[in-house]
Formats: sequence, C-alpha cells, structure tokens
Amino acid sequence: GQNIDQPTEMTATEGAIVQINCTYQTSGFNGLFWYQQHAGEAPTFLSYNVLDGLEEKGRFSSFLSRSKGYSYLLLKELQMKDSASYLCAAYQAGTALIFGKGTTLSVSS
Amino acid sequence: DVKVTQSSRYLVKRTGEKVFLECVQDMDHENMFWYRQDPGLGLRLIYFSYDVKMKEKGDIPEGYSVSREKKERFSLILESASTNQTSMYLCASSRTASRVETQYFGPGTRLLVL
Repeated sequence: GQNIDQPTEMTATEGAIVQINCTYQTSGFNGLFWYQQHAGEAPTFLSYNVLDGLEEKGRFSSFLSRSKGYSYLLLKELQMKDSASYLCAAYQAGTALIFGKGTTLSVSS
Repeated sequence: DVKVTQSSRYLVKRTGEKVFLECVQDMDHENMFWYRQDPGLGLRLIYFSYDVKMKEKGDIPEGYSVSREKKERFSLILESASTNQTSMYLCASSRTASRVETQYFGPGTRLLVL
C-alpha cells in the first residue's frame, strides 16, 4: 500500500534547528518533495530529492535514504516566519504526488 | 513565474447545487491536478489530467467530475454538492508527465456547502 508518515506538530524557538522526519511506503517511488504551506495559503515548493543524500538550499536542507524509505527536512536559524505546515510528498512514476498529512511547526521567540 | 489561478477564494453553496471550480495556468503545463485539503487528512488527490480531454481518477473521485477542454484550464464539478464536500480545494499544475516535475499550486478555493 501507499503510506506517508510525518509528525503532526512540532515546536521550536527562534534561532534553533529543527528536523522534520518523513517515512514513506510507495510502489514505483521516484522522488520525494517537501512543500511549505502557511495558514490559508497554497503550498510552495521547497525541495526535491531523488538520489540518496543531503540537498542544501540556504537555511533549508533535505535528506533522502531510499533504502530506508526515509527523508527529513532540516531548518536552521529558525525565524518566526518559518511557522507553517511542512508537507512531505512522494512521487510515484506515472501517477501523481502522494502527500503526507503535514507537520505544523510553531516557532516562538 | 508560474501562475495558477482559481476562480474564487471563497464560495458558499447549498446542498444539491451544481458547483463549478475553475483553474487556469499560464505556463503551458501538460499536467493539472485537483486536490482537497481537510484538517487531519492532508492533501488528497481527486482527479488529474495529463493532456486536453484526458482525465485520471485520483484517490477520492466520488461525487466529483472534471473537464479539460483547453490545455490551460481544468474544471472541477460537483454535480450535486453535499455538506461533506465542504473543504479547501487546491488546483496544481506541472510541466510534463514524461519526468518528475514540481507541482505549482493555486491559492485555493474554500468551499462551504450548507
């Protein structure tokens, strides 16, 4: 079957580092996306991993292990504006993205 | 910049009404998608289309239909709206079906069915 798991909620303080984990089980896996969604807004693309390893993009990094069915999104130097939902999505070849339920991150000062 | 627009941000309809949600993208993308997003359930795919006049069922197509007469426009139709279709509806598009491509989302339509 298809399944994407990520924590429902996380909290952190400004300036800290937070890691949001995602595990997946899909057939025909062909890559892992992370999206950010602020309350009441559309999801926006953050990162895409298809090969094992770490992809760094400024304060955000994303990691993938295909053999373990595992990914994480690492956010450094947290800012208040990083308070949002973070959506993990696995791409199945020939179909569409399968989304997790999202992790709501609250950043406090 | 890719732009995906949706016809309404907020919509209130009555049970049994026929509802049309329109989505337009301006980047000549082949793929278009309709999702609904509900608290605790995340984003769920209703239908998608990879070409004009083509459509594929997603995970929850029941109670919905779609239309894609032009490449840039993808419509979601609720034939007879019901209260359990109250939700946030998100449209997305991506460039091509031949390889993995980022999906770009519209701003969403928050539908309330009374």
